[in-house]
Amino acid sequence: LAKTTQPISMDSYEGQEVNITCSHNNIATNDYITWYQQFPSQGPRFIIQGYKTKVTNEVASLFIPADRKSSTLSLPRVSLSDTAVYYCLVGDGAAGNKLTFGGGTRVLVKP
Amino acid sequence: GAVVSQHPSRVICKSGTSVKIECRSLDFQATTMFWYRQFPKQSLMLMATSNEGSKATYEQGVEKDKFLINHASLTLSTLTVTSAHPEDSSFYICSARKVGGTNTEAFFGQGTRLTVV
Repeated sequence: LAKTTQPISMDSYEGQEVNITCSHNNIATNDYITWYQQFPSQGPRFIIQGYKTKVTNEVASLFIPADRKSSTLSLPRVSLSDTAVYYCLVGDGAAGNKLTFGGGTRVLVKP
Repeated sequence: GAVVSQHPSRVICKSGTSVKIECRSLDFQATTMFWYRQFPKQSLMLMATSNEGSKATYEQGVEKDKFLINHASLTLSTLTVTSAHPEDSSFYICSARKVGGTNTEAFFGQGTRLTVV
């Protein structure tokens, strides 16, 4: 899997938009970009996945520039319950390929 | 969405005993399952990757004789912590990748908090 780099932590306030950028300079042609959310004492939860340009679902948007060397997870109008650790993973998901996590970004949403 | 059930969610055992953790994919078949360990305030650390019907592949530094992994079917993988010691106390998480999946979308269990006393 391509190595990823994310900020260690970010603070925000309720109602604001939170953008977390992940760098993955050695992303391969077949690699997808996937983001997970983890609350304390729970397993990670899939948020969104993309290959290029922009992907949007009911909880987030994922922006991927043309060179795909980075990606930005956008959480619109966060609430206190969005306080969690967010992980960016890059890989092609082929059977047997490892699914390894980087350090993640700890997001704290304040009232 | 796909559901992965992990059991038990919490277990306390005595030092020297063994503990088995189950990971089941409830509504899909999983070619590959992953086992992780997570210490407080740290990221998930991959312990091993298991493919149905074959031996697990362990990460460097993970003792295969201590952490026994069995992936006997496309819906069940088990992790047995043998002769547990207090330093094995941790949060253990499994995840499963769907058969035919072509991306890194994986589904995670809720985790097992193991405390060895």
